[in-house]
Amino acid sequence: TQLLEQSPQFLSIQEGENLTVYCNSSSVFSSLQWYRQEPGEGPVLLVTVVTGGEVKKLKRLTFQFGDARKDSSLHITAAQPGDTGLYLCAGNRDDKIIFGKGTRLHILP
Amino acid sequence: NAGVTQTPKFQVLKTGQSMTLQCAQDMNHNSMYWYRQDPGMGLRLIYYSASEGTTDKGEVPNGYNVSRLNKREFSLRLESAAPSQTSVYFCASRGQPDSNQPQHFGDGTRLSIL
Repeated sequence: TQLLEQSPQFLSIQEGENLTVYCNSSSVFSSLQWYRQEPGEGPVLLVTVVTGGEVKKLKRLTFQFGDARKDSSLHITAAQPGDTGLYLCAGNRDDKIIFGKGTRLHILP
Repeated sequence: NAGVTQTPKFQVLKTGQSMTLQCAQDMNHNSMYWYRQDPGMGLRLIYYSASEGTTDKGEVPNGYNVSRLNKREFSLRLESAAPSQTSVYFCASRGQPDSNQPQHFGDGTRLSIL
């Protein structure tokens, strides 16, 4: 059973379009993190959301934590080819971090 | 500014061979983790060490052993490699367990078992 479900699994869109990817769970987490991973490298943290309903912005990326702290979304405005990569959400539980399977995003120039 | 260093970067083994994957961090972090990443499966936790001197099983520990050699180093051992263990292995560390701190990852070890 996957604790964190990410959707969609794959997304290919044109440069300049907007997109949203989702991370859902039936469990409550103390925080959720979003990581981005490029080929041949380890994941790199983008943001941590802690408070229910919290919204954080990182340039063209907007992250939201659900009110009940069970889900999160990542919205990208005017996607660029440099946004291409694997986006992973991860939930903090006890002393472990649990990862979703990821959304593979491809931005076409 | 090395962060988390994994060695080797690539390895090919024959079924039944043994091997140890090395991981070291220079950030004075207390917690260290080993994951495997397979296509369509995301990152799955194999073992972790919340602090020096302790280790615990993660989601997929079978076929692996770990050693927290000191605060800096956390190794992963395959005693008798199987083709199902072909994967990319990532080591990670973070300052404290049970916190909202991020994990810092190495660049991975790509392991093929023939």
